[in-house]
Amino acid sequence: KAGVTQTPRYLIKTRGQQVTLSCSPISGHRSVSWYQQTPGQGLQFLFEYFSETQRNKGNFPGRFSGRQFSNSRSEMNVSTLELGDSALYLCASSSQGLGNTIYFGEGSWLTVV
Amino acid sequence: AQSVTQLGSHVSVSEGALVLLRCNYSSSVPPYLFWYVQYPNQGLQLLLKYTSAATLVKGINGFEAEFKKSETSFHLTKPSAHMSDAAEYFCAVSDSAGGTSYGKLTFGQGTILTVHP
Repeated sequence: KAGVTQTPRYLIKTRGQQVTLSCSPISGHRSVSWYQQTPGQGLQFLFEYFSETQRNKGNFPGRFSGRQFSNSRSEMNVSTLELGDSALYLCASSSQGLGNTIYFGEGSWLTVV
Repeated sequence: AQSVTQLGSHVSVSEGALVLLRCNYSSSVPPYLFWYVQYPNQGLQLLLKYTSAATLVKGINGFEAEFKKSETSFHLTKPSAHMSDAAEYFCAVSDSAGGTSYGKLTFGQGTILTVHP
């Protein structure tokens, strides 16, 4: 079956703009999480959604937001982009249950200029 | 809060040599532990996971890891390195406290494995 799909794969934005990234989880998975990966900070948890509800949120400013739709697809939005937001944004999905495998997408590379 | 420490940001081995990547975790509850691999310009691929079923866990591509509660360690090993193993490896712990999170992982800083011919 298809894996986690993220779009777009690559994008360049200007400081001050906003961006929306999309994620389609593996079929049947209702948990979707987002991570930011940078060389300096490594992999950091942004937030997790389950059945359209945000269950957990990482330590990021309010400019970072997300949502999940009834079909489990998820979007994350970053407003008022800063240069430091340049990163690889990874989406992951898993089925309900602790310790289940968490599958990652290929990521969306965001460059802010 | 849970945390993961990977000892050594870079590890270099010769092809055919033993691979040992170190991971220590901190957790107040029984942890779920994972090793992921990331190849350049790609996402994360699961190598193996520990969920308390067995302390020695076998994964893909010949990798295995042993959970040692007394040492709070989950080191990744492979008996014989191959050139294709060159990548970055991440150890992660699942935040299962309270049972409310299925997808939140705390990652180590990663270890870049270089394999020399």
